[in-house]
Amino acid sequence: EIVLTQSPGTLSLSPGESAILFCRASQSVSSSYLAWYQQKPGQAPRRLIYGASSRATGIPDRFSGSGSGTDFTLTISRLEPEDSAVYYCQQFGLSPLFGPGTKVEIK
Amino acid sequence: QVQLQESGPGLVKPSETLSLTCTVSGGSISNSYCSWIRQPPGKGLEWIGYMFYGGSTYYNPSLKSRVTISLDTSKNQFSLRLSSVTAADTAVYYCARFLAVTGFDYWGQGSLVTVSS
Repeated sequence: EIVLTQSPGTLSLSPGESAILFCRASQSVSSSYLAWYQQKPGQAPRRLIYGASSRATGIPDRFSGSGSGTDFTLTISRLEPEDSAVYYCQQFGLSPLFGPGTKVEIK
Repeated sequence: QVQLQESGPGLVKPSETLSLTCTVSGGSISNSYCSWIRQPPGKGLEWIGYMFYGGSTYYNPSLKSRVTISLDTSKNQFSLRLSSVTAADTAVYYCARFLAVTGFDYWGQGSLVTVSS
């Protein structure tokens, strides 16, 4: 059974800075089946990235994903106050699994 | 633009069955996986299961014995039934469309279900 770990648990940064979020899988995951979601308080999650690095429709190019095997990264450049949210990585095989999330706070 | 909307009781008694329906508008659920995901208050996301348009179902092993997902293509709806609920099943329940290559692309707004007597 695959386990996803995300780090850090919380990230507190200022507008304009860059955030780097990590997602590690306990065993190798196909990059085709790795996605990232953003969830703001009281809202449903929104898909940001799929296939480890492909941006979903309408997602600003400030959001980028990379990685392969067991280690994946979501980078948010030029942070804006609206980026304050919890970010989840997710692998999807026959039994989709979400990571525990990273909370990004904008100072 | 595909839109999903959950509906169903917001309060369920312990040991009873939780039932929710997701209505899809603005698009078809054909060739996609109709999915349910839940989120306990203050916690992370848990995939419950999904049903492919063709009829195959896949459930989270930890919930499999209690979950049934069904599809009504004539109404563009799909449903969740979770039996023998306890307080641990209190959560916001989301329906979502899942595509095998691109993940969960459309989500409902979520429906809070509280299990309490």
